[in-house]
Amino acid sequence: GDSVTQMEGPVTLSEEAFLTINCTYTATGYPSLFWYVQYPGEGLQLLLKATKADDKGSNKGFEATYRKETTSFHLEKGSVQVSDSAVYFCALSEETSGSRLTFGEGTQLTVNP
Amino acid sequence: GAGVSQSPRYKVAKRGQDVALRCDPISGHVSLFWYQQALGQGPEFLTYFQNEAQLDKSGLPSDRFFAERPEGSVSTLKIQRTQQEDSAVYLCASSRGVTGQGLYEQYFGPGTRLTVT
Repeated sequence: GDSVTQMEGPVTLSEEAFLTINCTYTATGYPSLFWYVQYPGEGLQLLLKATKADDKGSNKGFEATYRKETTSFHLEKGSVQVSDSAVYFCALSEETSGSRLTFGEGTQLTVNP
Repeated sequence: GAGVSQSPRYKVAKRGQDVALRCDPISGHVSLFWYQQALGQGPEFLTYFQNEAQLDKSGLPSDRFFAERPEGSVSTLKIQRTQQEDSAVYLCASSRGVTGQGLYEQYFGPGTRLTVT
């Protein structure tokens, strides 16, 4: 079955540091890939997505590139802010499985001023 | 417009009690999903509705879990004879599209935190 593996957390960075959160996946077909973010006390929000190989999703300074050859979708940001502190989830979805999302375990990011 | 809403936001149940969790999707959204999120884990799929039809319930962990969406809008997730392992956040998501027409963004509600004592 489908699965998503994220780098173990939590991650603590200083403001303006570079962020990478690793994500790899296993899928039977050709999935779409997502990063969701969960800010404290709020619901899950879509951060970015990519639907085919070599696509780059980007939003709010975050980027991730769909790498089919390495089955990866790593999240990056060049300069994090305190307001980026949240839990980040990598996820995939396939139409063959009814478009449901399969999530990784999440990575807690804390950015200190 | 209004997003996905869920009620109650918090629910404490004694072991053995039945609970009902409500989800109000975004108006006009055809697809509705339920997920279970254990503490410190990612959400896991429970069930999926397209309008009033429950097309996939493969993620429901036991026959104590039951979901319905009788009029294709509001959905209720019911858990009978709750157990401590049912303690989790239950998330509802809706999307405007249907399977086979491409992938549409899922919009999540704030969740219901269920604690079984």
